[in-house]
Formats: sequence, C-alpha cells, structure tokens
Amino acid sequence: KAGVTQTPRYLIKTRGQQVTLSCSPISGHRSVSWYQQTPGQGLQFLFEYFSETQRNKGNFPGRFSGRQFSNSRSEMNVSTLELGDSALYLCASSLGGENNEQFFGPGTRLTVL
Amino acid sequence: DQQVKQNSPSLSVQEGRISILNCDYTNSMFDYFLWYKKYPAEGPTFLISISSIKDKNEDGRFTVFLNKSAKHLSLHIVPSQPGDSAVYFCAASGTSNDYKLSFGAGTTVTVRA
Repeated sequence: KAGVTQTPRYLIKTRGQQVTLSCSPISGHRSVSWYQQTPGQGLQFLFEYFSETQRNKGNFPGRFSGRQFSNSRSEMNVSTLELGDSALYLCASSLGGENNEQFFGPGTRLTVL
Repeated sequence: DQQVKQNSPSLSVQEGRISILNCDYTNSMFDYFLWYKKYPAEGPTFLISISSIKDKNEDGRFTVFLNKSAKHLSLHIVPSQPGDSAVYFCAASGTSNDYKLSFGAGTTVTVRA
C-alpha cells in the first residue's frame, strides 16, 4: 500500500507570495492533518480535514488555509508569505476515528526569502 | 500553549544501554498517547502508543510507561542501537480536542557506538 505523498518536496518563495502544497493520503484514509515543524517547536497543528470538511483547526492566522477533495487528497495554501513561514510542512493521514494512528508524509520544506 | 512538553532536547547514550525519554502533559483530558520517531528528511513514523486505561505497553525493545497522576509518560528503549539515533516526539490526544494530536518539541537521541 502506497504511503502518504507530498508535493513538492522543496520550495523556495519570496515574501508576499503565496504557495500551495499538496498531500495524497493513504488509500482508504479519510482524514488528513497538516502540521508545521520548526526547529525547537516540534510539530504545530494547522488543521484537519475529514470527508472534505475542516474538522479541527489550530492557532494559525487566516493566511493558512486548506481544503480536501472528494478523493481525500488535500491542499494547503499560505498567502502573503512571511520569513517566519519557513518550515517543514507535514501532512498526515488516518482512518479518522478516535485514536487512529496518523501516518506522515515526508514533508515539504518551504523556504521564504 | 504547549500542552505536551519534552524538557530534554537531546540525549546521548552508549550502544547497548537503555535510553529513557520523558514527556509531560498538562491537559488531564488527554487519554491517548503516542511516540513517533523522525529521521532527517523523512516524516515522523509511529513507534508505540498507550491508552489511559493502561500504565504500560511493550513492543519489542520499546516500552512506554504512563503515570496519569503525574501526567507523565516515558519511553524506554532497551538495548539502544545506532539505528535508534533520531528525533523522538511525544504526542497526546483526547476527546476534548477532537482527535487532534498535540506534539512535544522532540528529543534528539544519539546512540554512540
């Protein structure tokens, strides 16, 4: 069974631009969660989508948004990029029930110059 | 507000000895706890979990202990192997936060030959 895939793996943008990251979950998984990882901060939860609906949201500004398609694939968008948005963005998929393991993709490394 | 804390950013251990990683949490409503392991340039991979109805769960060389009264859990790796060198994240969830995983900042383990 194929794992979680994320594209692109690496991205360089400049301040003020916007970016869209993509995540394809494991087949059969209906939940996709997004996390931001920065040095010393661990993984900060962005949001979770389940069956095309945002089910949970972290404490990030409105510049961070996402969506999920009918095939469970998900995209995350960051508008008006700031230098502090440079991070590893991880996507995780799960079946979506309580206490289901989350399986992570390799991440997208975003650098904002 | 960091609800899951890993107060040791790094740990160095001799090959063959025990590695003990610690994690504290503040939300008494958390009822499911997980450990993830992360190598550079890869996403975190699930290692072991424990539900709040247990105080110990063992899987091969990995054992997780949960002390609910102290809001503390630990991961023991015995014996430690060079391939165990990675960043370890503690995570917690509960019905109070709707399946969202809250992660600690991680502990970098280095196993010395």
